[in-house]
Amino acid sequence: SQQGEEDPQALSIQEGENATMNCSYKTSINNLQWYRQNSGRGLVHLILIRSNEREKHSGRLRVTLDTSKKSSSLLITASRAADTASYFCATDEDSNYQLIWGAGTKLIIKP
Amino acid sequence: NAGVTQTPKFQVLKTGQSMTLQCAQDMNHEYMSWYRQDPGMGLRLIHYSVGAGITDQGEVPNGYNVSRSTTEDFPLRLLSAAPSQTSVYFCASSYRTLSYGYTFGSGTRLTVV
Repeated sequence: SQQGEEDPQALSIQEGENATMNCSYKTSINNLQWYRQNSGRGLVHLILIRSNEREKHSGRLRVTLDTSKKSSSLLITASRAADTASYFCATDEDSNYQLIWGAGTKLIIKP
Repeated sequence: NAGVTQTPKFQVLKTGQSMTLQCAQDMNHEYMSWYRQDPGMGLRLIHYSVGAGITDQGEVPNGYNVSRSTTEDFPLRLLSAAPSQTSVYFCASSYRTLSYGYTFGSGTRLTVV
């Protein structure tokens, strides 16, 4: 079963613009994670945000979590061509052992 | 370099053949897992392990076996390959359960003909 659902499925923006992706989930969580996957490569962990946190930053990345709306957003500021990738959210869905993954947002940065 | 190493990177099997996908990590991570990734379906968990000697099934375990005799290694065995097992397989590890980020291997692209 899939808990995290990303929105939009695909996003194409100009280099230098900001990119925002959203993730919604259905049940209560302990934490939510965001990953990046470049074409043909493995996933890379970006940020983990816990249920008692509302916002986290890492370089040009900003993640917010709204547990009342069961949603999270990933903002990439000043996008670069190298940000072209698929982005996935994953939640723990009240489980200690299994992450549940969304289908991802495909981000394309146009030069 | 520390990380998760998967071999092979590519493999073509005939229906009915068996094979083992290798996964090794050198970060002393307790938790290891195998996923398959199919277009439009995200990642689906096949099997996972919370420590040496302990394994359990994920969402799609049928047709696959795992073992965890050491902390470092977590091989995935395909018992009798079927075309439906054509996919990209990823091994991932984490320091402990789900409160830490996963480190992924680079994947194995498997085609069953």
